[in-house]
Amino acid sequence: DIQMTQSPSSLSASVGDRVTITCRASQTISNDLNWYQQKPGKAPNLLIYAASSLQSGVPSRFSGSGSGTDFTLTISSLQPEDFATYYCQQSYSPLWTFGQGTKVEFK
Amino acid sequence: QVQLVQSGAEMKKPGSSVKVSCKASGGTFSSHTINWVRQAPGQGLEWMGRIIPIFDTANYAQKFQGRVTISADESTSTAYMEMSSLRSEDTAVYYCVKAGRGVRGSSFYYYMDVWGKGTTVIVSS
Repeated sequence: DIQMTQSPSSLSASVGDRVTITCRASQTISNDLNWYQQKPGKAPNLLIYAASSLQSGVPSRFSGSGSGTDFTLTISSLQPEDFATYYCQQSYSPLWTFGQGTKVEFK
Repeated sequence: QVQLVQSGAEMKKPGSSVKVSCKASGGTFSSHTINWVRQAPGQGLEWMGRIIPIFDTANYAQKFQGRVTISADESTSTAYMEMSSLRSEDTAVYYCVKAGRGVRGSSFYYYMDVWGKGTTVIVSS
């Protein structure tokens, strides 16, 4: 299986901060990389697919970049509703895998 | 827009089996891939496997191969995830998720875009 490693596992930030989350794959996955946001008690929500394509309805402060093995999710100006856990997920291999998650907490 | 409605919470004994259902409405069930993802309490997301109803083929994460069976009934637009030999570590919320497909240039990309609300399975003696 392709292993996905996110960093950091958690971070503290304030409203208005620029936040960057990194995801590294154990082998090249081209740009078959998706990002999800999950709030407590809720199902995850797709933010970004194909590494950098914004899902319909997702605010433009979210962006993704990267290809090969290294990817980033950036929130340009953190809003109160963005405090959540974020997961990357690869769809390169037929057997999909997630990163372990990054929890964005209020500083 | 497809919606996925999952069956209710389950309480099971260790060693028993559970079967969770996921009924789709509002779309063409057969043409969509349905994935199953689980999340243990306080833990991350874990992809378990998928089924493509129109082909009646399923793939499984290695961890679940042999213990999980994913199936689909096209006549009722319902997918199922059955897990056997349950143990306490299987206590989790189980989600069914529709796969979506995006296009950029001449390439297709796949992701999980419609999630059920989740089914809580508790395994306890």
